[in-house]
Amino acid sequence: DTAVSQTPKYLVTQMGNDKSIKCEQNLGHDTMYWYKQDSKKFLKIMFSYNNKELIINETVPNRFSPKSPDKAHLNLHINSLELGDSAVYFCASSQGSPNQPQHFGDGTRLSIL
Amino acid sequence: AQSVTQPDIHITVSEGASLELRCNYSYGATPYLFWYVQSPGQGLQLLLKYFSGDTLVQGIKGFEAEFKRSQSSFNLRKPSVHWSDAAEYFCAVGHTGGGNKLTFGTGTQLKVEL
Repeated sequence: DTAVSQTPKYLVTQMGNDKSIKCEQNLGHDTMYWYKQDSKKFLKIMFSYNNKELIINETVPNRFSPKSPDKAHLNLHINSLELGDSAVYFCASSQGSPNQPQHFGDGTRLSIL
Repeated sequence: AQSVTQPDIHITVSEGASLELRCNYSYGATPYLFWYVQSPGQGLQLLLKYFSGDTLVQGIKGFEAEFKRSQSSFNLRKPSVHWSDAAEYFCAVGHTGGGNKLTFGTGTQLKVEL
């Protein structure tokens, strides 16, 4: 029944490794997003996809590569992880209109050792 | 550029007391405004939204917010706070430009004293 689900919930890894976070939504929405929440709880958009097409790329390092195999899935792959990548990453989805609320997953807490 | 300001980083209220969380926005057109709540270890849950019509909007869990264009504000209120309301509250503005992204305020952490 979970509307927006992310896996894994926790990810602990070493600097330099490559990791992926998966996101799936069963709400029938056409737009999906990745947000990063830093240690001060500040939330910032990273990417937005509409019907599998990249719409927003907010000056994120190219080590981050989103992939949307279909409109219900948006995965995030991160290469060469750095200490500064430690954060909580949230996936969200909505219908593609600015007055439609975004529905968030529970987040993936990424810790870089 | 669009921005959202939540002036209060922390607020502590007694259970049963009234609550008002402040939010000010900067946006060129009519804003789409949202309040979300984040409990520890959880994602964000939508409390309420405003995009047109009645400037006083009702949300879930007994929350309401009032849009005041003249003050560029969208403050969140609750007449009687419950201990379970302790959480982080985020105000956000939705963009009409491509991508429908949300710009969030820095959040207000609410503590409830029993």
